[in-house]
Amino acid sequence: KNQVEQSPQSLIILEGKNCTLQCNYTVSPFSNLRWYKQDTGRGPVSLTIMTFSENTKSNGRYTATLDADTKQSSLHITASQLSDSASYICVVSGNFGNEKLTFGTGTRLTIIP
Amino acid sequence: DVKVTQSSRYLVKRTGEKVFLECVQDMDHENMFWYRQDPGLGLRLIYFSYDVKMKEKGDIPEGYSVSREKKERFSLILESASTNQTSMYLCASGLPPDLSYEQYFGPGTRLTVT
Repeated sequence: KNQVEQSPQSLIILEGKNCTLQCNYTVSPFSNLRWYKQDTGRGPVSLTIMTFSENTKSNGRYTATLDADTKQSSLHITASQLSDSASYICVVSGNFGNEKLTFGTGTRLTIIP
Repeated sequence: DVKVTQSSRYLVKRTGEKVFLECVQDMDHENMFWYRQDPGLGLRLIYFSYDVKMKEKGDIPEGYSVSREKKERFSLILESASTNQTSMYLCASGLPPDLSYEQYFGPGTRLTVT
């Protein structure tokens, strides 16, 4: 069964600190892996999309890594800001289209001043 | 900027009522999707559409139907709402995957069925 597991479930850090969120998946075949940010009560917003051949992708203070051999990804947030408080969702696509996405349950990140 | 809008942010309906959730996108995207999001379960695909008048079942279509009469609009219909359909409903749109993998989500409709 295709699965995406994220850890930790929740995380609290001080403003200005760095953090890393983890994503392990068992989806096969593999097309691409995405990280989304979802603010409370809002729809998810795309941060990065990585295909099989990409192992790092950055979007401002967000850097995602992908190890397709071990089926692991991480999202690193640098110099966190209060606005980074949100849920971060890892999503893996098992084929070329968007109808075979497997969603993780997310990591709830809280930044405190 | 891509914009996906949903007709209501919050909705309260009674068991047995027919419920319409509307989604409109302004980027001329061919593909549109309806998901529901429940705590601890992640997003699950209900229905999707690759073109006007086309619809395909997702992973959990039971109790739902959809309509796509115009390219920009994709409606989700609950024929007879039940309490287990209380959830956050998210609409998304995107280009065909040979052009882009990006999906753009609406703000969501939180539906409560009592």
